Amino acid sequence: EVQLLESGGGLVQPGGSLRLSCAASGFTFSTYAMSWVRQAPGKGLEWVSGISGSGGSTYYADSVKGRFTISRDNSKDTLHLQMNSLRAEDTAAYYCPPPGSSGEGYWGPGTLVTVSS
Amino acid sequence: DIVMTQTPLSSPVTLGQPASISCRSSQSLVHSDGNTYLSWLQQRPGQPPRLLIYKISNRFSGVPDRFSGSGAGTDFTLKISRVEAEDVGVYYCTQATHFPYTFGQGTKLEIK
Repeated sequence: EVQLLESGGGLVQPGGSLRLSCAASGFTFSTYAMSWVRQAPGKGLEWVSGISGSGGSTYYADSVKGRFTISRDNSKDTLHLQMNSLRAEDTAAYYCPPPGSSGEGYWGPGTLVTVSS
Repeated sequence: DIVMTQTPLSSPVTLGQPASISCRSSQSLVHSDGNTYLSWLQQRPGQPPRLLIYKISNRFSGVPDRFSGSGAGTDFTLKISRVEAEDVGVYYCTQATHFPYTFGQGTKLEIK
């Protein structure tokens, strides 16, 4: 069964950095593109970033381009999101959805990022 | 970027009655591999999203058969044949055919 567990969230000051991780299991991690999606309090879902199975191609929403970096460690079945220059508007629950374009699987609980002084 | 437009944004429904949510994309969602990566998610209050339907009409494991998806190209629909109390929440359509992946605004389903 596909399982995803996000971690690394917390309270950070504006301008600060955080590194999120997503531990994956139950599928052949290296063969699937993966993404990060976020949800600000009381708001809808926003795709943040994506990465190909090999890690050779990465994609970003305009709102985070130049500040966030997605990466993956296929030897450890782990997805990462390095977030720099954080802003108040980055406050959200961050999810790594089930793999692939079909997204077949269960979403993890997410990890909460709060950017505040 | 592909814009996903859902209607209605709010849907008060009587228990046992049907409900329908429409999702329209600003471009065709047919991928070069022939698949259409249009999914529907349900988010109950205080919970992470849950996959209901993938590739337009395929129910995910454990999803009741009162949920069904249909459509093609740029127009898609999620139907609930008989709404139950546990169906309360927000429903999102999402496309994963083209980067950046995008979501609809969400439709809040509530009981009258």
